[in-house]
Amino acid sequence: DTGVSQDPRHKITKRGQNVTFRCDPISEHNRLYWYRQTLGQGPEFLTYFQNEAQLEKSRLLSDRFSAERPKGSFSTLEIQRTEQGDSAMYLCASSSVIGGGADYEQYFGPGTRLTVT
Amino acid sequence: GENVEQHPSTLSVQEGDSAVIKCTYSDSASNYFPWYKQELGKGPQLIIDIRSNVGEKKDQRIAVTLNKTAKHFSLHITETQPEDSAVYFCAASQVGYSTLTFGKGTMLLVSP
Repeated sequence: DTGVSQDPRHKITKRGQNVTFRCDPISEHNRLYWYRQTLGQGPEFLTYFQNEAQLEKSRLLSDRFSAERPKGSFSTLEIQRTEQGDSAMYLCASSSVIGGGADYEQYFGPGTRLTVT
Repeated sequence: GENVEQHPSTLSVQEGDSAVIKCTYSDSASNYFPWYKQELGKGPQLIIDIRSNVGEKKDQRIAVTLNKTAKHFSLHITETQPEDSAVYFCAASQVGYSTLTFGKGTMLLVSP
């Protein structure tokens, strides 16, 4: 297992620009989650996929946010028309029941730190 | 929805001492309680978890206890080492459900 990977690790953008982040889950993990973490706070749930289906979205996920997992493997999170309030660490996690794993044990990636100027 | 409170927000101990971090939760349906360690610039790392069918779980120097009646759970670290210094988060969820609700974190500082 190489762990969850995220790209880029850091992104600086100007207000109003669009940004896209990528997450590669642990191999064969069928569940993938996105969280947002601001300074001094715990991660907050944004959305969750089982395979390619997006099964749940938090009310934190405004219309400017969209997430996809087209082939049930990697996922992308896009933020359109970024605002300064979007500055945060965006974390991806994955879990699976395949191979006897516990689907509730979520393993996190290193995150993408977004700064909107 | 679920609400998780975590205390203290910072904890300073001397190397070799024990450290205890406490969390309370609000939703009686929650039955899965993981603990994560987050080092600077890194993502949260799952260090131990407990399900509601047990009251205590140990893994070397780390233990977690759960009191479902009182809706609180705690992380115990014995014989602390400087490399234990990090931010620790508790969380609550339901097995088979997707969302982890996190506490605000405890910054643990272990002085040599």
